[in-house]
Amino acid sequence: AQSVSQHNHHVILSEAASLELGCNYSYGGTVNLFWYVQYPGQHLQLLLKYFSGDPLVKGIKGFEAEFIKSKFSFNLRKPSVQWSDTAEYFCAVIRTGGSQGNLIFGKGTKLSVKP
Amino acid sequence: KAGVTQTPRYLIKTRGQQVTLSCSPISGHRSVSWYQQTPGQGLQFLFEYFSETQRNKGNFPGRFSGRQFSNSRSEMNVSTLELGDSALYLCASSLEGSAEYGYYEQYFGPGTRLTVT
Repeated sequence: AQSVSQHNHHVILSEAASLELGCNYSYGGTVNLFWYVQYPGQHLQLLLKYFSGDPLVKGIKGFEAEFIKSKFSFNLRKPSVQWSDTAEYFCAVIRTGGSQGNLIFGKGTKLSVKP
Repeated sequence: KAGVTQTPRYLIKTRGQQVTLSCSPISGHRSVSWYQQTPGQGLQFLFEYFSETQRNKGNFPGRFSGRQFSNSRSEMNVSTLELGDSALYLCASSLEGSAEYGYYEQYFGPGTRLTVT
């Protein structure tokens, strides 16, 4: 069964530090990839997505992610985090082969940014 | 454009009861998916509906069911509630995608927090 792994359960950073959250998926076929964010008390929001083309995708709030097909990875990055980035981040994958697929989520990474 | 709405936002039920949750997708979105979110298991897919038909189903027991109406609104039902059903139930809607060209992103509602006592 396909799965999504997020390597870090909880990351603690100081403001202005750089961020990289790892995400690996197990499915070998064509996939669409997403990063969602859940701020405290708010609902899941889309940060960025990869469907095809340039493997480096830019999202909202200065986030970007790079799709490396050979490594089955889609890591999320931000050069300088802010206190307001404190949230839980979820990587998700959807298969594009066959019938309409469903999102497979990683377990999430909690990011705490110290002011 | 209004976002995905879910009602009720909070529910407290006792074991053995049943519950119905409602979801109204973004206008124009015909695909509605349901997810269960718990601290231990994370986000798990329940099922997806498109044009009143269930197209995809996750690994949940038959106590979990759903349906979609002609206006794309969806409901999910959980019968014979168990303590382990306590969770945040999320609904997400999206435009129709395709296997060839890829899928559109899903937009999530605020969820219904179900507590089973």
